[in-house]
Amino acid sequence: EVQLVESGGGLVQPGRSMKLSCAASGFTFNNYDMAWVCQAPKKGLEWVATISYDGSSTYYRDSVKGRFTISRDNAKSTLYLQMDSLRSEDTATYYCARLEKLDWYFDFWGPGTMVTVSS
Amino acid sequence: DNVLPQSPTTMAASPGEKVTITCHASSSGIYMNWHQQKSGTSPKLWIYDTSKLASGVPDRFSGSGSGTSYSLTINTMETEDAATYYCQQCCSTPLTFGSGTKLEIK
Repeated sequence: EVQLVESGGGLVQPGRSMKLSCAASGFTFNNYDMAWVCQAPKKGLEWVATISYDGSSTYYRDSVKGRFTISRDNAKSTLYLQMDSLRSEDTATYYCARLEKLDWYFDFWGPGTMVTVSS
Repeated sequence: DNVLPQSPTTMAASPGEKVTITCHASSSGIYMNWHQQKSGTSPKLWIYDTSKLASGVPDRFSGSGSGTSYSLTINTMETEDAATYYCQQCCSTPLTFGSGTKLEIK
């Protein structure tokens, strides 16, 4: 059974940093591209970043470029999102998702971890 | 980064009623995917490659479309189908979601 479990969320002050983790199990992690998707309170889904199966390629939405870094440790089957210079508008639930790259759909999602940026 | 227009934004349907949700893609020649999200839970893949049902999705659901217009249809609405549905366009970065359609039971 595919499982994705995020951790690392919480309350953080504007301008500070936070690192999210996503532990994957039930599939061969290093065969899949992975992604982070966020959802602000009572809002829709927004893609944040994607990383290729081997970590060689990364992609970001414009609003997080230069501030967020997606990475992975295939030996630990874990995905990360380093978030720096956090802003109030980054407040959201962050979901880890597996990406089926052939046709570009998110086929499994984690339960999410909430990040609140506030002083 | 654009949000794909979906319509309606909110709707209510009676049990047994037919429901259609539409999504307008930003480019043609793509596949459209749909995700279902119930309140307080994470999204689930519901339809992929425009018309294929994800594992466990009842066959009263269907997906269709071409060009820039795509739709999700429920042949006969059931109580458990109340949720928010998001379309998601494939095949290029940034990966783009629809604005969402909240479907309620009447």
